[in-house]
Amino acid sequence: TQLLEQSPQFLSIQEGENLTVYCNSSSVFSSLQWYRQEPGEGPVLLVTVVTGGEVKKLKRLTFQFGDARKDSSLHITAAQTGDTGLYLCAGADNQGGKLIFGQGTELSVKP
Amino acid sequence: GAVVSQHPSWVICKSGTSVKIECRSLDFQATTMFWYRQFPKQSLMLMATSNEGSKATYEQGVEKDKFLINHASLTLSTLTVTSAHPEDSSFYICSVIIGEVMGYTFGSGTRLTVV
Repeated sequence: TQLLEQSPQFLSIQEGENLTVYCNSSSVFSSLQWYRQEPGEGPVLLVTVVTGGEVKKLKRLTFQFGDARKDSSLHITAAQTGDTGLYLCAGADNQGGKLIFGQGTELSVKP
Repeated sequence: GAVVSQHPSWVICKSGTSVKIECRSLDFQATTMFWYRQFPKQSLMLMATSNEGSKATYEQGVEKDKFLINHASLTLSTLTVTSAHPEDSSFYICSVIIGEVMGYTFGSGTRLTVV
């Protein structure tokens, strides 16, 4: 069974600080996705990383896929209160395309 | 991108009754849909894979007789929670694969409260 370990699970920071969320696995994934979820809503896709070593930027968010395609990270620069939410990494398993989620990171950015 | 509509967005029911949740793919023909369950402050847990025209595939520990899934068309999958109990109260979310690179699109979720 492929598993994704996401850390930290909870993060509370002040506005303007930087943060990094990690997503690790012992298995190789063909791609990993990062989602953001607001309370009472479904997850919204932020980015998909496909190539080992790939780095993608989305404004203040930087996503990295490990060279071995077993891990990924999300770095947020100068966090804003609007970044508050649940961040989820996910990868499709090798059988049937089921999406496996990490435990999630509950981010709270305080003014 | 694909749009997935989930209905209702919230429902309150009495213990022992059944509740049906609909997941519609509005602009994409989905042979496969997924149903997830999410408890507060936790991640999404896959319950089952819904396959158009065939039986759903359930994850280990999910009771197929309690969570009935029907995927009768390429645009509609339904999840029925039968004989609901308070412990079934949760946030249920469906999703559709729109491609490995493009990822998955999720419905807006259904908040079920069993009283």
